Amino acid sequence: KAGVTQTPRYLIKTRGQQVTLSCSPISGHRSVSWYQQTPGQGLQFLFEYFSETQRNKGNFPGRFSGRQFSNSRSEMNVSTLELGDSALYLCASSSPVLDTQYFGPGTRLTVL
Amino acid sequence: DQQVKQNSPSLSVQEGRISILNCDYTNSMFDYFLWYKKYPAEGPTFLISISSIKDKNEDGRFTVFLNKSAKHLSLHIVPSQPGDSAVYFCAVKTSYDKVIFGPGTSLSVIP
Repeated sequence: KAGVTQTPRYLIKTRGQQVTLSCSPISGHRSVSWYQQTPGQGLQFLFEYFSETQRNKGNFPGRFSGRQFSNSRSEMNVSTLELGDSALYLCASSSPVLDTQYFGPGTRLTVL
Repeated sequence: DQQVKQNSPSLSVQEGRISILNCDYTNSMFDYFLWYKKYPAEGPTFLISISSIKDKNEDGRFTVFLNKSAKHLSLHIVPSQPGDSAVYFCAVKTSYDKVIFGPGTSLSVIP
């Protein structure tokens, strides 16, 4: 089975721009979660989508949004980028049977 | 307020010895606990988990211990190998709720 894939792997943007990141879960997985990882902060939960509906949400401003498509692929959007948004953005998928998340390699976003 | 704490940001262990990574949580409602390992430039990889009905789970060189009364979780790696050098994240959750990760502990296994 193919793993979780994320595109692009690296991205450089400037302040004020917006960005869209993509995540394709493992086949058969309907839950997709997004995390932000910054040095010293660990993995901060952004949101989780299940069957195209947002099921859980973390404590991030409204500039961070996401969606999930009928094929379970998910996108995350960040508008009006700030320098502090520079981070590794990780996507994870999980099946309803297993309580385990499988992570993609992440998208490294740099905001200049 | 952090719900999951890993108080040791880093740990160095000699090859062949035991590595013990610790994790404390605040909410007694958490009922599922996981450990993930992360290498640089890669996403975290699931390592081992334990449900709240158990106090120990073993998988090869990795053993997770759960002390519910103390709200404490630990991961033992025996024997430690240089390839185990990575950042280890402890994570907790309740059913159908989000997973909450700790800040991570960077383990270095010295040959």
